[in-house]
Amino acid sequence: DIQMTQSPSSLSASVGDRVTITCRASQAISNYLAWFQQKPGKAPRFLIYAASILQSGVASKFSGSQSGTVFTLTISSLQPEDSATYYCQQYYRYPLTFGGGTKVEIK
Amino acid sequence: EVQLVESGGGLVQPGGSLRLSCAGSGFNFSDLYFDWVRQAPGKGLEWIGRLINTPIGSSTEYATSVKDRFTISRDESKTSLHLQMDSLKTEDTAVYYCSRLPSANNNIVYWGQGAPVTVSS
Repeated sequence: DIQMTQSPSSLSASVGDRVTITCRASQAISNYLAWFQQKPGKAPRFLIYAASILQSGVASKFSGSQSGTVFTLTISSLQPEDSATYYCQQYYRYPLTFGGGTKVEIK
Repeated sequence: EVQLVESGGGLVQPGGSLRLSCAGSGFNFSDLYFDWVRQAPGKGLEWIGRLINTPIGSSTEYATSVKDRFTISRDESKTSLHLQMDSLKTEDTAVYYCSRLPSANNNIVYWGQGAPVTVSS
C-alpha cells in the first residue's frame, strides 16, 4: 500500500500567517494527489486535485504544489474560518490512502 | 443539486452484520464509480472500497482491512449504493461516508452526511 505521511500533525498560527502542510508519498504517485478540509462533525470538503489545481469555488488563498513525492498545501493568509483538519489523499493506485491529517488552529 | 444520503447505521454486536445504503439524487449511480470512506472517533479518514460501473456491470476494489468482510453493491434501479458489513469488529466503529473521490479522469467529488456505526457488546 502507498503510505501518505503528513506533517505536522497539528499547528497553531495567527490570523494572517502563511501556513504550509506537507504530505509525503512512500512511492511515486505522479500528480494524483488531492487535499481535503474537514471541520468537526462535517463531511470533508474537496479543495485541490492533481496536486495543484484548485477545485471550483475554493478560495485562491489555498494552493498546492509538488516536488517529486512531496506535496504541499499552503494557506497564504490564515483566517479564523480555516481552522480545520486537512487531509491529503492519493488516487494513483488501489487501495486509495489518506494522510493522517493536520489540525490547524488559530492562536 | 447532487445529494448523497446514507441510512442504516446503528449499534451492532461484535461478529454481527449491518447493511448501509446510500441514496443518490441529482445524478445516476450508473455513472463512473462510488466510494465508501469511514472515520473512527477522533481519527482520520480511511478509504474502504469502490464500486466501478462498467459497460457489462460493475467491479469492486477494497481496502485490506475490510476485504472478505465488506461488500459494496448497487441496486438494479441504479439509484442506491450499499455496503454490506459482516463479521464486524469493535474497530469498525466509525462514521461511514458514501462518496465519490477524485480520479485521474474526474474532479467532481461528492460526500454524504455520514452514517454512524457502533460495534459494541
